[in-house]
Amino acid sequence: DAGVTQSPTHLIKTRGQHVTLRCSPISGHKSVSWYQQVLGQGPQFIFQYYEKEERGRGNFPDRFSARQFPNYSSELNVNALLLGDSALYLCASSFNVWVTGQGWEETQYFGPGTRLLVL
Amino acid sequence: DAKTTQPNSMESNEEEPVHLPCNHSTISGTDYIHWYRQLPSQGPEYVIHGLTSNVNNRMASLAIAEDRKSSTLILHRATLRDAAVYYCILGGKLIFGQGTELSVKP
Repeated sequence: DAGVTQSPTHLIKTRGQHVTLRCSPISGHKSVSWYQQVLGQGPQFIFQYYEKEERGRGNFPDRFSARQFPNYSSELNVNALLLGDSALYLCASSFNVWVTGQGWEETQYFGPGTRLLVL
Repeated sequence: DAKTTQPNSMESNEEEPVHLPCNHSTISGTDYIHWYRQLPSQGPEYVIHGLTSNVNNRMASLAIAEDRKSSTLILHRATLRDAAVYYCILGGKLIFGQGTELSVKP
């Protein structure tokens, strides 16, 4: 089975530009999450979408936005790029299961990431 | 969000067991405990998860304390390919800390 796929794999932009990153989840997964990983740090949560609705948002500025499509694929958009936006952007998909008395049980599967360099 | 505490780094010899600890004293009753690892230049990879009982899979074992305030990821026989950063995370919204960088010596 195909895993989570992301495109493009690498991208170079200049400050002030806009970027769109794409993610296709594992077949059957309805939830997609986005993370930013700066060199030397753990991934930081940006957004989670479930059934096309935003389910969670991390501490990122409004320049970051995302959406999920009817086929559960997702796009992450970043406007007015800053040098500090240079990072590995990771997408993860999950098959969320509500377990009564225990809450959401979801294991996330990550794609290889898109490496963005802002000059 | 509940927080986890892990050692920054650990070292192991090849073929020996490795016990990676994680403290999560503020865990809530419904938080699952997830472990992921990230090899160099790759996205994180799911390792194992559990709620209350100890769990085993082909990659590792997860031992969860009775009070759920700590857990230990056990790699039964470390290989060079297990060298990675290991993250212990609570709940569905993954809040990654710094993780434990595991190095494996031949």
